[in-house]
Amino acid sequence: GAVVSQHPSWVICKSGTSVKIECRSLDFQATTMFWYRQFPKQSLMLMATSNEGSKATYEQGVEKDKFLINHASLTLSTLTVTSAHPEDSSFYICSARNQHRLHLGQFFGPGTRLTVL
Amino acid sequence: KQEVTQIPAALSVPEGENLVLNCSFTDSAIYNLQWFRQDPGKGLTSLLLIQSSQREQTSGRLNASLDKSSGRSTLYIAASQPGDSATYLCAAEPMTTDSWGKFQFGAGTQVVVTP
Repeated sequence: GAVVSQHPSWVICKSGTSVKIECRSLDFQATTMFWYRQFPKQSLMLMATSNEGSKATYEQGVEKDKFLINHASLTLSTLTVTSAHPEDSSFYICSARNQHRLHLGQFFGPGTRLTVL
Repeated sequence: KQEVTQIPAALSVPEGENLVLNCSFTDSAIYNLQWFRQDPGKGLTSLLLIQSSQREQTSGRLNASLDKSSGRSTLYIAASQPGDSATYLCAAEPMTTDSWGKFQFGAGTQVVVTP
């Protein structure tokens, strides 16, 4: 079955540093991937849509200069949290769908837990 | 904008009872409705996907129904087990092309099944 991986699974960093999170579709190509954020005890909120070969589109209220997204290939999207602060601590999850098998729905990565000290 | 609501927010049942989890959505123009399970500190596990043209899906002890006209989906878990304890999320995918793939999640129902 389709699998989406994320790396790293968790990261702890100091305030002010930048953190890069990778999202890979392992056995299918994805022209579009999605990045979600989940704060403790809350549900997932869509942050942005990652588009292969073009700029990402961001949801209202999400700072594009803080959350840099690069979709460099059909199997890889990266989210970089720039100048991270404690309020950025969250669980970040990406998703992708097999564009040739839309009926299978979306596949979600295992998530990356970011803790900013 | 699509809003997804899940009721109840939390549910505790003794082992063996059937579970009924409700999900409602405000915009019936959906492409898919998907149910997920999330264990504490973990990612999402897809349980069932119901396409807009379908009315229900079944997998083992799980059954999910979809009524687009009323904006509701229900997840039934038969003969609950302690291992079913988790948070269950439903998510609706809009039909519109500019929102394609953008799932709107409910807040989840936290389920505890006691032995």
